[in-house]
Amino acid sequence: EAQVTQNPRYLITVTGKKLTVTCSQNMNHEYMSWYRQDPGLGLRQIYYSMNVEVTDKGDVPEGYKVSRKEKRNFPLILESPSPNQTSLYFCASSSWENNEQFFGPGTRLTVL
Amino acid sequence: SQQGEEDPQALSIQEGENATMNCSYKTSINNLQWYRQNSGRGLVHLILIRSNEREKHSGRLRVTLDTSKKSSSLLITASRAADTASYFCATDAGTALIFGKGTTLSVSS
Repeated sequence: EAQVTQNPRYLITVTGKKLTVTCSQNMNHEYMSWYRQDPGLGLRQIYYSMNVEVTDKGDVPEGYKVSRKEKRNFPLILESPSPNQTSLYFCASSSWENNEQFFGPGTRLTVL
Repeated sequence: SQQGEEDPQALSIQEGENATMNCSYKTSINNLQWYRQNSGRGLVHLILIRSNEREKHSGRLRVTLDTSKKSSSLLITASRAADTASYFCATDAGTALIFGKGTTLSVSS
């Protein structure tokens, strides 16, 4: 089944404790992206990757890191999480032929 | 950089009625897409319309695009309770999709 998976789905952590949210897709998509969704602000792009070893900042990259060492994986790293990073995070992927994005189920992060 | 803006923000209708949502954007685009999100879940792609297309259909969905007005509309005909969700337009101008804030549709039976 074609899908984007994210782990964990829910995470409660404390300020400053490094964390990684994993994202994996099985559709051989070149393009992958991370978004955060906050009430009243819609979806905002954090980082995106057009292919392996190619990443770039989106609209709200501060406080986040990403890497793209393999085509299927695109982890999101929060080196020192802060409460303002409490949000619902989505990973998405698409191919270049057809830029319809497939979304993961979301990761709900709470930073205390 | 918010590109698309949906209107209305919220819409409540009865089952069987049609629902129309609008999206306005600011810059030239390659295509415009509509997505649906059920509460707290991932977005699901509904339909893509390219900049050289004016209208597209998919089942009960009809999307129009007016590039001169920089606007699009999504029509859902004969709405069902299962259509209750948030709907987002997303504009593709190159390297990224830019999403609007969404229209929340509530369909009551």
